[in-house]
Parts: sequence; structure tokens; C-alpha cells
Amino acid sequence: SQTIHQWPATLVQPVGSPLSLECTVEGTSNPNLYWYRQAAGRGLQLLFYSVGIGQISSEVPQNLSASRPQDRQFILSSKKLLLSDSGFYLCAWSLWETQYFGPGTRLLVL
Amino acid sequence: GENVEQHPSTLSVQEGDSAVIKCTYSDSASNYFPWYKQELGKRPQLIIDIRSNVGEKKDQRIAVTLNKTAKHFSLHITETQPEDSAVYFCAAKGVANAGGTSYGKLTFGQGTILTVHP
Repeated sequence: SQTIHQWPATLVQPVGSPLSLECTVEGTSNPNLYWYRQAAGRGLQLLFYSVGIGQISSEVPQNLSASRPQDRQFILSSKKLLLSDSGFYLCAWSLWETQYFGPGTRLLVL
Repeated sequence: GENVEQHPSTLSVQEGDSAVIKCTYSDSASNYFPWYKQELGKRPQLIIDIRSNVGEKKDQRIAVTLNKTAKHFSLHITETQPEDSAVYFCAAKGVANAGGTSYGKLTFGQGTILTVHP
């Protein structure tokens, strides 16, 4: 069966520091991968999606970037964090329609 | 692009009552409509989904209905229990392609906080 991992689970970072969040999927090949952010409200905001290695599409312009160096690895990065980057970051995967979410990383920028 | 509106934003019911959450979508080409349940501090979990060639789908106490003409779909929970308390999200999948490959890009509603009182 397929599983999705995210780390770290929680992170506290100062403003202006860099960020790297990692997501990996096991048990499937060539998944579509997604990064979402959920701010202190409830909505899920799609940040990036990828349909293959090295293929990244951005949904919202911001100071974040994403990379997919391997088929089942998706990385979210920032060179300088802002206070507004705080939130719950969720990675998701899909083969066709249904998306399955990872456990998430809770990021607090101080 | 697709736009999904979800109502109500909060819903409070007594245990055993039914709960209904409604969503409307804007893109008539959307063809897949999942519902997710998110408990506090956890990831969203898929609870039921429906495709555009079906009008209704049921799984035990949960059912989803779809009206393509009106472009709305609803989640129905019967015999609610305290453990049903969570945030519920609807979503719609439009037709999208990237690099010649279709993918399941979902547009989510803003969520409904459901509270079931014992």
C-alpha cells in the first residue's frame, strides 16, 4: 500500500531564516505531488504541484519554491521566511483523481 | 478557474440528528467531487467522493448527492455521533493538463466546522 511521509512534524523558525520541508511517497510510481498550506483558518491553499521529476508549477506567487529531485520526493523551500509563512503545510499525492494527504508540518515563524 | 463555495461555515447539531453541508462549483466541466474530514491537528482524510456520471452515493451513515445542472453537491451525515465533530471540506476537480499529463487539481471549499453535542 501507499504511504506518504513528511518531516519535520513541527518547526519553529525565526523570520529571515531558510526553510526546507520534505515529502516522500512510498508504494507507487510517478505520482502527482502537491504542496498545500493551511493558515490559521480552515482553507487549503494549493502552492505547488508536480506531474513528474523536475516539473513544478506554481499556483501562488510568493517567497516559496518547490523541487522534485526524485520521482517520489517533493521539497518545499524558502530562502527567507516571513511571519506570514506560518501555517500547516500539507503534501499530497495522487495517481488519478483522488488526493491523499501526508501528516503535515506545522511551521511557526517568529 | 474553478471556484467552490461551501455552506454553512459552522454547523452545530445534537447527537442523532442529521447534518447537511452544501457546496456549489462554477466550472461545468468539473467531473470529480470528494469530501474530506479533518480532525483537529490532523491531515484531511477522504470520506466519500462522487463522479459526475453518478447522482448519489452512500456509504453507511454518509451520503453525497450531485446536481450537475445546478452545479451543486451536498454531504449528508445521518445519526450523527460526537466523533463526527471535525472540519469538513468539499472539493471539485476541473479539467487540467500540465505537460500533456492530466492531473487531479482540486479546488477546495472553505470548510465547515461540524460540532455534534452529546
